[in-house]
Amino acid sequence: SYELTQPPSVSVSPGQTARITCSGDALPKRYVYWYQQKSGQAPVLVIFEDNKRPSGIPERFSGSSSGTMATLTISGAQVEDEGDYYCYSRDSSDTHRRVFGGGTKLTVL
Amino acid sequence: QEQLVESGGGVVQPGTSLRLSCAASGFAFSSYGMHWVRQAPGKGLEWLALISNDGSKKYYADSVEGRFTISRDNSKSTLNLQMSSLRPEDTAVYFCAKDQGDVAAPDYWGQGSLVTVAS
Repeated sequence: SYELTQPPSVSVSPGQTARITCSGDALPKRYVYWYQQKSGQAPVLVIFEDNKRPSGIPERFSGSSSGTMATLTISGAQVEDEGDYYCYSRDSSDTHRRVFGGGTKLTVL
Repeated sequence: QEQLVESGGGVVQPGTSLRLSCAASGFAFSSYGMHWVRQAPGKGLEWLALISNDGSKKYYADSVEGRFTISRDNSKSTLNLQMSSLRPEDTAVYFCAKDQGDVAAPDYWGQGSLVTVAS
């Protein structure tokens, strides 16, 4: 079955740039979406269609995708950005199955 | 204001069935696809199923296909997940989520309903 691979953890100091990667064989053909989940809360969409930001999401969040890797970048990370981040996409076949990456725990301290 | 409220969770024994529901409000329910996603305790998100806005298309993860059935009632703005042959590994918080469009990706989530499968 199709998989998206993320690093388990990323740690930065406040004000630094955090980069979280997501790799998958089908990414050259499929959009990537990114979700932020804080402890005990429902996920929140922070990037859609590789690099678009929903209304209400701070400009410091950006996304990019090249080849088999997508990247979520948080420029000038804040303490409130701590949480788990998940990428989401679908495989390139006709099964229409969707998948989440394993998640990356972002620590800002 | 979009709102999704899951219900129907609880403690059930292995091998039994359970039906989750998700009541939607604040948006045109019949215009959007809907997802079910779960999260086992301390684990990551697992996509389970997607239903198109008119219910004509349904897609499932390998882990639940044949055991779980997604359905919707657009007249009542309700999404359902019928779960059968439940296993201890199905223990999780189950989220319903609205799609951005018809069959794209979740953009708004409910707060989740806990299902515990234990004897």
